[in-house]
Amino acid sequence: GQQVMQIPQYQHVQEGEDFTTYCNSSTTLSNIQWYKQRPGGHPVFLIQLVKSGEVKKQKRLTFQFGEAKKNSSLHITATQTTDVGTYFCAGGGATNKLIFGTGTLLAVQP
Amino acid sequence: NAGVTQTPKFQVLKTGQSMTLQCAQDMNHNSMYWYRQDPGMGLRLIYYSASEGTTDKGEVPNGYNVSRLNKREFSLRLESAAPSQTSVYFCASSVGWNGYTFGSGTRLTVV
Repeated sequence: GQQVMQIPQYQHVQEGEDFTTYCNSSTTLSNIQWYKQRPGGHPVFLIQLVKSGEVKKQKRLTFQFGEAKKNSSLHITATQTTDVGTYFCAGGGATNKLIFGTGTLLAVQP
Repeated sequence: NAGVTQTPKFQVLKTGQSMTLQCAQDMNHNSMYWYRQDPGMGLRLIYYSASEGTTDKGEVPNGYNVSRLNKREFSLRLESAAPSQTSVYFCASSVGWNGYTFGSGTRLTVV
């Protein structure tokens, strides 16, 4: 079945440093979505990428979808303490259901 | 606009007991989902309902049943709870491939 792997599992940065998490699927995806989950909270939708090679930005966050539509990345520039949480990618196939990656826990030290 | 509402928020069960987790959304979404979240495992799909009247198994359906009662409500039932079902359960809804809206979760402990 479809699998979505995410690395790293954990990243600790100093406030102001950059952060990147990578997502790889075993199959070609129709779309990829990114979610953020604060400690003790629930996942919150950030963005969806649909097109091959697509790049989208949200303030300090940059999202990319690979040319082959099998990988994606999230890059945060100049992290802040408010960025703390777990970032999940989720791959969509032929149906509405998403397969989530295992997530990257970001810790930001002030 | 409440979004996705899950009840209860916390529950402790004894092995073998049954319970139903309730989920309701007020966004007129067609699709609804149940996920479980365990440390280091991410979110795993238990069951989903692409539209009212349909349900399908996800990655980890064993030990669970679901009911799509109407367009708003999608319940998850544990018939005979086991310690392996200790987890955080999230309900979510969506319109097609658009981003999911998640509920706040149910933290279930089976002893």
